Amino acid sequence: GEDVEQSLFLSVREGDSSVINCTYTDSSSTYLYWYKQEPGAGLQLLTYIFSNMDMKQDQRLTVLLNKKDKHLSLRIADTQTGDSAIYFCALSRWGQFYFGTGTSLTVIP
Amino acid sequence: DVKVTQSSRYLVKRTGEKVFLECVQDMDHENMFWYRQDPGLGLRLIYFSYDVKMKEKGDIPEGYSVSREKKERFSLILESASTNQTSMYLCASAWGMAAEAFFGQGTRLTVV
Repeated sequence: GEDVEQSLFLSVREGDSSVINCTYTDSSSTYLYWYKQEPGAGLQLLTYIFSNMDMKQDQRLTVLLNKKDKHLSLRIADTQTGDSAIYFCALSRWGQFYFGTGTSLTVIP
Repeated sequence: DVKVTQSSRYLVKRTGEKVFLECVQDMDHENMFWYRQDPGLGLRLIYFSYDVKMKEKGDIPEGYSVSREKKERFSLILESASTNQTSMYLCASAWGMAAEAFFGQGTRLTVV
């Protein structure tokens, strides 16, 4: 399978930017995703990036992809308490999805 | 909107029981997946199916089986539940080879 690694925890103050990082081993994935999981819920897609892109911005979210270093990051600007959740990095390859361990983001008011 | 529905949010079962977890999607997706989620381990793939009556083992299939008799329904079966199968189970579906996966709300299974 694919190794996808993330830090387990991140705490930020409300209003600051959050940066969640992800590293992976296989560079043949077509799409790379960020999913959000709120307590007691399933996963919801936040954003995704094609493997031939370096950056994607969507309102408060910025995704950066460094293919050389096999590193994906998600930046959340002006982090709010409602952003507290678990964030999963994921890759897809040949119809299968590979998920990281998830990063639990805590936003301190 | 795509909807993936899991039959139960919470289940409590006894050791040795046969357990069925049901998942239904309403978007005619070919691919369906069962994952289990455990703290610090992320999502681990149990089984997936890319067509009716087709199934493939994921990373942790031991102790589980699946059934896909209709395109919209993918069932996960615990033949004889054990306490180490206490976990959150997530079903997902996707169209095609590289599209977004849509998730159900999850079933938290406790085996006592």
